[in-house]
Amino acid sequence: QKEVEQNSGPLSVPEGAIASLNCTYSDRGSQSFFWYRQYSGKSPELIMSIYSNGDKEDGRFTAQLNKASQYVSLLIRDSQPSDSATYLCAVPTRNTDKLIFGTGTRLQVFP
Amino acid sequence: DVKVTQSSRYLVKRTGEKVFLECVQDMDHENMFWYRQDPGLGLRLIYFSYDVKMKEKGDIPEGYSVSREKKERFSLILESASTNQTSMYLCATLGFSYGYTFGSGTRLTVV
Repeated sequence: QKEVEQNSGPLSVPEGAIASLNCTYSDRGSQSFFWYRQYSGKSPELIMSIYSNGDKEDGRFTAQLNKASQYVSLLIRDSQPSDSATYLCAVPTRNTDKLIFGTGTRLQVFP
Repeated sequence: DVKVTQSSRYLVKRTGEKVFLECVQDMDHENMFWYRQDPGLGLRLIYFSYDVKMKEKGDIPEGYSVSREKKERFSLILESASTNQTSMYLCATLGFSYGYTFGSGTRLTVV
């Protein structure tokens, strides 16, 4: 089992819809979780971090964490074509600062 | 904002050449990382450093070495470039809240 798993997609949603991106992780002791957005040909940029069970909202983005089920998700409300990118989930390895990244989910928002 | 600068955006080298990839950050961060990113494999950690003259192997260090003589500069060295080292190379620093900041990346092609 990979340490961090994501569906590679593409996930296609119409403009204005909610896009739901999921990530599962293997280390039950993981305490922090990160979502990065990567446009084609660009480097990843941090968009959300979450540390506690439940939801964390930031503008149109909501991160959801369920430690019991070992998954973290990212919801994008009112999706825009500019949200079309690859979204990477990342989890630190235990007791280190190293991040393990999923392979990413490609999101396509069509007008 | 933290700035992480990678010296080259695109690089073409010949098999067997020694290749230097430079990364400079301007925020006095202690932790710096080198990743490579390949389609279907995601981001994989090559080497990282917690301090000057300190380095630790990541998940795929073979064929690479690093140098950190000054806090702001972390160099990745390909001792003898091979075609399987053709990839996107990303440098990152770690801030106070686990937020990695990535450089713009170097797309290296070895011919």
